[in-house]
Amino acid sequence: QKEVEQDPGPLSVPEGAIVSLNCTYSNSAFQYFMWYRQYSRKGPELLMYTYSSGNKEDGRFTAQVDKSSKYISLFIRDSQPSDSATYLCAMSAGYTGNQFYFGTGTSLTVIP
Amino acid sequence: DSGVTQTPKHLITATGQRVTLRCSPRSGDLSVYWYQQSLDQGLQFLIHYYNGEERAKGNILERFSAQQFPDLHSELNLSSLELGDSALYFCASSVGGTVRPTGDQYFGPGTRLLVL
Repeated sequence: QKEVEQDPGPLSVPEGAIVSLNCTYSNSAFQYFMWYRQYSRKGPELLMYTYSSGNKEDGRFTAQVDKSSKYISLFIRDSQPSDSATYLCAMSAGYTGNQFYFGTGTSLTVIP
Repeated sequence: DSGVTQTPKHLITATGQRVTLRCSPRSGDLSVYWYQQSLDQGLQFLIHYYNGEERAKGNILERFSAQQFPDLHSELNLSSLELGDSALYFCASSVGGTVRPTGDQYFGPGTRLLVL
C-alpha cells in the first residue's frame, strides 16, 4: 500500500465551479500537509500547507485536514482556466527528516 | 521562474547507457534535492545534499549516484539504464539543511529522460 493515495483524474470542470481535490494516507505520523501545483512542463510549486487537523484558507483556495480519517482536501472556489494544472498533495512527519511523501497528482482542466 | 536550473531538458538514450543530469540551485541555497517523477509512482525523493555533503537518501537505486560540488551545483548520475528509468527528474533547492515540513523547496523545470 502506498503511503499517499490520490485520484489521478483527469478532472474537467467549467469555469467558476468549485473543485474538490483529495488525498488519503496511511501513516498516522504525518503532521504537515502540503499542496503543490504543477503546470505542464514545469516543476511543482508550493500552493499552501497546513499543520495537523483543521482548515486553512488562502484566497480562492482552502485546505482541509481530517487526521482522524487520514484524509485531506483542497477546495478551489470560482475556478479559473489558469487553475488548469496537476495538483500534488505531499506530507511529512515533521522536522526530523527531509522525507516528503507525494501523491501521484490530480490533473485538472478548467474549461472557459 | 523558480531560479533553479536543470540541464539538459530532454535526454534520449539506450538501455545500458550512463547519463549525467545537472542542477544549479537558487542563488544562496545550500541544499539540493533530487526527485524522480513517473506516472505510476508519482514524485519520489531520491537524495539530498547540503553544502557538499550527503544528508539523506530516499528511494535511490544503487545504479544512481549524486554529488554536490564546491560551487553548489549538483549532478545526478544514472548508470546501466533500464526502460523503467524513463521519467522526469527534478531537482529542488532550499536555503537550509532541512526543508521545513511546510515545503519551502523550489523545484527546477526538470529533465525528461527517455530510455529506449
